[in-house]
Amino acid sequence: AQSVAQPEDQVNVAEGNPLTVKCTYSVSGNPYLFWYVQYPNRGLQFLLKYITGDNLVKGSYGFEAEFNKSQTSFHLKKPSALVSDSALYFCAVRDPTNAGNMLTFGGGTRLMVKP
Amino acid sequence: ETGVTQSPTHLIKTRGQQVTLRCSSQSGHNTVSWYQQALGQGPQFIFQYYREEENGRGNFPPRFSGLQFPNYSSELNVNALELDDSALYLCASSQGLTVREETQYFGPGTRLLVL
Repeated sequence: AQSVAQPEDQVNVAEGNPLTVKCTYSVSGNPYLFWYVQYPNRGLQFLLKYITGDNLVKGSYGFEAEFNKSQTSFHLKKPSALVSDSALYFCAVRDPTNAGNMLTFGGGTRLMVKP
Repeated sequence: ETGVTQSPTHLIKTRGQQVTLRCSSQSGHNTVSWYQQALGQGPQFIFQYYREEENGRGNFPPRFSGLQFPNYSSELNVNALELDDSALYLCASSQGLTVREETQYFGPGTRLLVL
């Protein structure tokens, strides 16, 4: 079975400061990992994904994520936060050894960026 | 914005009724996945359709059923609605199971309230 944990319900950061949103995962094989963002009353918007290769993945809007196999983590980062980054962030995992391509999501982390 | 559309945007039903939600996939995509997102939680996988056949199902009862049409649009049907079915229902389209690294792109969702 595959699972994802987002240990922080909320992350608060000041505008201009770096941000980190944490994610750990559990899968039987090598994982495919994803980050999505959700704004109020909206669907999920794709940010970035890790499939293979370089452990540092760059995505939309200046976000990046670092895959760490030994720590089974895939933390989302941004060097300088914007107020407009305030939203709900979801980490998701897919086990490529499964026949389908079901995504398993974490519970979400609310990011609050204050001016 | 993705090319995935869902209708209706909001829906109110009473317990015991039946509901049909609709999703149009992004151009070039032949796979549709449905997720349920309860308030304050991450999305949970309901099922997936690939080329009009169900391909994978999550832990949802048989009263949740679906269809995919030749144009790859899809419907989610829920019978005998229960209060706990109140949630945001998200549709995601993707290029297909042969592209294992593919990304799921989400629509804006349908918010269902069961009274």
